[in-house]
Amino acid sequence: QVQLQESGPGLVKPSGTLSLTCAVSGGSLSTTDWWTWVRQPPGKGLEWVGEIYHAGNTNYNPSLRSRVSISVDKSKNQFSLQLTSVTAADTALYFCASGQLAQLHSWGQGTLVTVSS
Amino acid sequence: DIQMTQSPSSVSASVGDRIIITCRASQDVRTWLAWYQQKPGKAPKLLIYAASSLQSGIPSRFSGSGSGTDFTLTINSLQPEDFATYYCQQANSFPHTFGQGTRLDIK
Repeated sequence: QVQLQESGPGLVKPSGTLSLTCAVSGGSLSTTDWWTWVRQPPGKGLEWVGEIYHAGNTNYNPSLRSRVSISVDKSKNQFSLQLTSVTAADTALYFCASGQLAQLHSWGQGTLVTVSS
Repeated sequence: DIQMTQSPSSVSASVGDRIIITCRASQDVRTWLAWYQQKPGKAPKLLIYAASSLQSGIPSRFSGSGSGTDFTLTINSLQPEDFATYYCQQANSFPHTFGQGTRLDIK
């Protein structure tokens, strides 16, 4: 199975843009898997953010749809998350993951993003 | 959105016990359901997919069943490493919602 590693700023100012990257190693993005972002506010449960297929097809959580964008860079074997107009409610541990329907078999270790001035 | 409701929200058990966690969907999700185990500060780990298929490398004491709206995760003969939080997730329709989690503690 592939290995995933999130990276990006750990602190974002309110109203700013959260940008994270997930590097994929040990395999290619161009598989039948969907490349997914999941987040977890401190002390709370998991929230599905969205997913992308290597061809560029995306699905987003409607609660975030106007602010979220997921993209893929096959040349770098990575995919990225952008979340605009962030507030304190977006403070969370952000995980990237891969898999198919109800089968997220590979996960990154997670990266904590805090929204604060 | 499909709401996923797990019960109980928390449970205490002893090593060697059998526990059952239930997950109820607010709409039919067929068998597009997974179970994950999460330990503090760690990523979730896939245990069961397609409601009842055991992920490779997961011990056979874990099993899943159900279809439609009602699902169960059973853990037989609890081991010390099983004390964690468990989540169900549906993938029948977007967004792919998770249950609120069930925390399994040592009694």
